[in-house]
This record gives sequence, C-alpha cells and structure tokens, in this order.
Amino acid sequence: QVQLVESGGGVVQPGRSLRLSCAASGFTFTNYNIHWVRQAPGKGLEWVALMSYDGSNEYNADSVKGRFTISRDNSKNTLYLQMISLRAEDTAVYYCARDYGDTQVIFDYWGQGTLVTVSS
Amino acid sequence: SSELTQDPAVSVALGQTVRIKCQGDSLRTYYASWYQQKPGQAPVLVIYGEDSRPSGIPDRFSGSSSGNTASLTITGAQAEDEADYYCNAWDSSGNHVLFGGGTKLTVL
Repeated sequence: QVQLVESGGGVVQPGRSLRLSCAASGFTFTNYNIHWVRQAPGKGLEWVALMSYDGSNEYNADSVKGRFTISRDNSKNTLYLQMISLRAEDTAVYYCARDYGDTQVIFDYWGQGTLVTVSS
Repeated sequence: SSELTQDPAVSVALGQTVRIKCQGDSLRTYYASWYQQKPGQAPVLVIYGEDSRPSGIPDRFSGSSSGNTASLTITGAQAEDEADYYCNAWDSSGNHVLFGGGTKLTVL
C-alpha cells in the first residue's frame, strides 16, 4: 500500500538548520510530483514546496523562499526539505503529500507528519 | 488574487445537508480538491476534479464548481463528518499551490 513516512523533525534553535525526509513506498515514486505542506499549531494548512516527478522543477512558497530547499533522490524513493535560518514562525507539523493530479493538485496520500519546533 | 477564501465555521443538524464554499480567482481555471482533517490526524482527500471521490469516501460527499467558487456538499451529515475541511488548487501561475483557510464543520 502507498506509504509516506516523514522524519527529521525536532526542537531547534532560531537561526539553525534542519533536514526533513519523506520516505515513499508502495508506488512508483518517479511518476509523481511530491509536495511539502505544513500546519502551525492550531492553524490551517500551508503549502511549502513542490518537487516535480523527475526533479527538474521545484517551486517554493514565498514565506520560505531562499531558506528552504526541496530535493529528491529517486534512487532512494525519498524527498527532502532542507531548512536553514529557521524562525519561530516555522514551527509546525510538516507533511509530505503525493500529487495524483495532472492539470490540478490532488493530494491523494499524506504522511503522518513530523513536528518541527523552533525555540530557544 | 492569490488566495482561496473559506468561511471559518459552519454548522449542520444531524442528517441535514451542508455546503462548504471555497472562492478564488484561480478556480476559474483550475478545479479545487477538498480535504477532511480531524484533530491530531493528517488530512484526507474527499473530493477532487469536477466531482470525484477517492475509494472509501462515502457518496454523501460531492463537489461542484461555478465561476470562481467551488463547493463541497455533504448530504445527510453524520456525526463523524465533524472536522475541518480545506480546499486547495493551483494559483493562477500554475506553479504554486493555494490552500483555503479551512472551515470547521460542527454537526449538531
């Protein structure tokens, strides 16, 4: 069955870095765009970044541009999110989500999320 | 505009019908998808495309779209439908994703 498993979250001080991973299984990883989505405590969902199926295109939300980098290793069926210069407002549960859509976004499978807490 | 707008909260009596709306300029070009999220859980896709449901989603959930507005309708709401509902879609550029602010559904 399709599974997405995030890891790498934790408590980090402001200004420090963290790398999240999303391990995929149960489907052909190279056929799908994958996204990162986050949710601050008690808040709504916020799209963070997209990596195309073949790694040729990446897009980031303005709120993380220049600080977060999305990448993928198709040989390991894994998506990454490298986060630098972390701020308190980056505190959130980070989800990876598979995009089933072609001309529209359809997040058909989500991971369980990994919590990132930015605090001194 | 670069946003999707949802009513923050909606309530429905048990067994009645409720419509949750999502408005945004990009919806004139792109279909919205809808997600249900219960406390402490990851979101779950409930509607996508013009009106498609993933396997396992009850047929009381349906979708529609007109102009800049997408709607999620629950016909015969059940207690287990109480949750937060989010819409999402491409923005007008087609390379950034928008989420609505979410609608908290209460089943009375």
